[in-house]
Amino acid sequence: KNQVEQSPQSLIILEGKNCTLQCNYTVSPFSNLRWYKQDTGRGPVSLTIMTFSENTKSNGRYTATLDADTKQSSLHITASQLSDSASYICVVSANSGNTPLVFGKGTRLSVIA
Amino acid sequence: KAGVTQTPRYLIKTRGQQVTLSCSPISGHRSVSWYQQTPGQGLQFLFEYFSETQRNKGNFPGRFSGRQFSNSRSEMNVSTLELGDSALYLCASSPIQGHGYTFGSGTRLTVV
Repeated sequence: KNQVEQSPQSLIILEGKNCTLQCNYTVSPFSNLRWYKQDTGRGPVSLTIMTFSENTKSNGRYTATLDADTKQSSLHITASQLSDSASYICVVSANSGNTPLVFGKGTRLSVIA
Repeated sequence: KAGVTQTPRYLIKTRGQQVTLSCSPISGHRSVSWYQQTPGQGLQFLFEYFSETQRNKGNFPGRFSGRQFSNSRSEMNVSTLELGDSALYLCASSPIQGHGYTFGSGTRLTVV
């Protein structure tokens, strides 16, 4: 069964600190993995997209890693800011046009001053 | 370039009523998919349309339906609303199926 598991469910960190969010998936055949940031009451916004051959991709203070062998991804946030408070959702696409996206339930990050 | 536009942003309906939500994709995008998001379940796939044809459907009852027009705009309809249908409904568009999804800001539906 295609699944995406994210951990932790929620996380509270101090402003300026770094954090790492985890995503494990069992989607097959794998096409790509995305991390989205979703502010409360808004739609998800794409942060990174990674294909099978990529193992690191950065977008400003966000760095995603992918290990296709262990089917794990992480999202590292450096020097966190209050505006990073949001839900971070890991989404995996199967390499099949008729298979919908598989979503994790997200990690709720709160950055406090 | 305009993003994905969903209307209305907020909606309050009573049980038993029906509702229609609208989604205008990014210009040139032909795939539109719909999702329901609730605090307990996260994002759940409803259906996807490509070139006016439904290509995929999630595990939702038949009360949830949709369609796509020739200009790629899409509508989602929910009939006989239940309290449990209260959720954020998100639409995403993509140039082709399976790639490059951009989400709208969603429609917050409250059923009372």
